[in-house]
Amino acid sequence: QQPVQSPQAVILREGEDAVINCSSSKALYSVHWYRQKHGEAPVFLMILLKGGEQKGHEKISASFNEKKQQSSLYLTASQLSYSGTYFCGTNMDSNYQLIWGAGTKLIIKP
Amino acid sequence: DSGVTQTPKHLITATGQRVTLRCSPRSGDLSVYWYQQSLDQGLQFLIQYYNGEERAKGNILERFSAQQFPDLHSELNLSSLELGDSALYFCASSPGVSADTQYFGPGTRLTVL
Repeated sequence: QQPVQSPQAVILREGEDAVINCSSSKALYSVHWYRQKHGEAPVFLMILLKGGEQKGHEKISASFNEKKQQSSLYLTASQLSYSGTYFCGTNMDSNYQLIWGAGTKLIIKP
Repeated sequence: DSGVTQTPKHLITATGQRVTLRCSPRSGDLSVYWYQQSLDQGLQFLIQYYNGEERAKGNILERFSAQQFPDLHSELNLSSLELGDSALYFCASSPGVSADTQYFGPGTRLTVL
């Protein structure tokens, strides 16, 4: 079942904060976050695993609430380079395919 | 640069035709995934291969088929093309069989006229 991302789109001024949510009705094993700039390939941001383990390589933070089956991506002091569409992918087991959300479009204005 | 290569970058063809898209995964990655992304839409998972074997199937049409060769490169074949098949087709690779980090190629933009 496709996870629900909210909001669908958000417009910010440079330096403002944003939170993007990804919710599922099923118990999740992991949540994956990717960012895609227009016309480019999605780029990995972070994986959050059941039990609290978090893997990522950029200065972006996220949380995974297992009780609510929801993950939130936190973008603080946003920069112009943060613009793009953010996708979450979820799975219920490590052997299952990712199911992708519809994406959240983030526009950062100077 | 993710290390995943896709060819061609752009493809323009007519309805009813058949095309082949090619993907070479990152060195050492055994899984290849194919995705379709229509204009400003989300990622639609098509199919996954792991070490030459089909691992998972998504919303792949019967007119579409794929395979992964012994050298691990993969091809996606699209036949009897329709206008609605116009989209960006991404290939991604990952080290293992499970849902690990996926590294996406630059994509092939297919335009069906």
